[in-house]
Amino acid sequence: DTAVSQTPKYLVTQMGNDKSIKCEQNLGHDTMYWYKQDSKKFLKIMFSYNNKELIINETVPNRFSPKSPDKAHLNLHINSLELGDSAVYFCASSQFQGAENEQYFGPGTRLTVT
Amino acid sequence: AQTVTQSQPEMSVQEAETVTLSCTYDTSESNYYLFWYKQPPSRQMILVIRQEAYKQQNATENRFSVNFQKAAKSFSLKISDSQLGDTAMYFCAFAPYPQGGSEKLVFGKGTKLTVNP
Repeated sequence: DTAVSQTPKYLVTQMGNDKSIKCEQNLGHDTMYWYKQDSKKFLKIMFSYNNKELIINETVPNRFSPKSPDKAHLNLHINSLELGDSAVYFCASSQFQGAENEQYFGPGTRLTVT
Repeated sequence: AQTVTQSQPEMSVQEAETVTLSCTYDTSESNYYLFWYKQPPSRQMILVIRQEAYKQQNATENRFSVNFQKAAKSFSLKISDSQLGDTAMYFCAFAPYPQGGSEKLVFGKGTKLTVNP
């Protein structure tokens, strides 16, 4: 059973397009996150949602809009894609106030903007 | 703001030997979690080991152990009996104690470990 899944795993698109990445977790967690890993492998938080409520919104361009229809899903929509958006995007989930505070990661989506 | 520093961009070790990866962090929090994540070429992020700051005892998971020095804000990872499958990027990460969904992981820049046959 896949704990945190993302679709698609690879996404190649042209500048100016709009695209979405979907994330689903079947762990029963109530908190979900989006991280961005750049070309130098540096991982940084973008957003977090707790029970469908936006909690963390780091300095991310307005072109990025997360949407959480329910606790098990957190999608990422990106408008007007730019070359600098090329990266690997990871979804993760955890249980708020879970004793171990462990975040479980999805397999990542490699986005390439040409 | 918390920061995590991994001073070794790359390391290599011979199979069956022991290697230690360094990590230091900066925080004003008194209670928090520290993690080591492994990212093999498949790019999946895999939790290797975790440490809770209020626990004095160093965490151990099979061949993986940590040396946690809270006063020095140091959290190194020791891999014993290195195996070829340990070849990966290793990320040290910090998270504050759970406080309502703000438990973002702050990552170091990673250490690329290569295990040679």
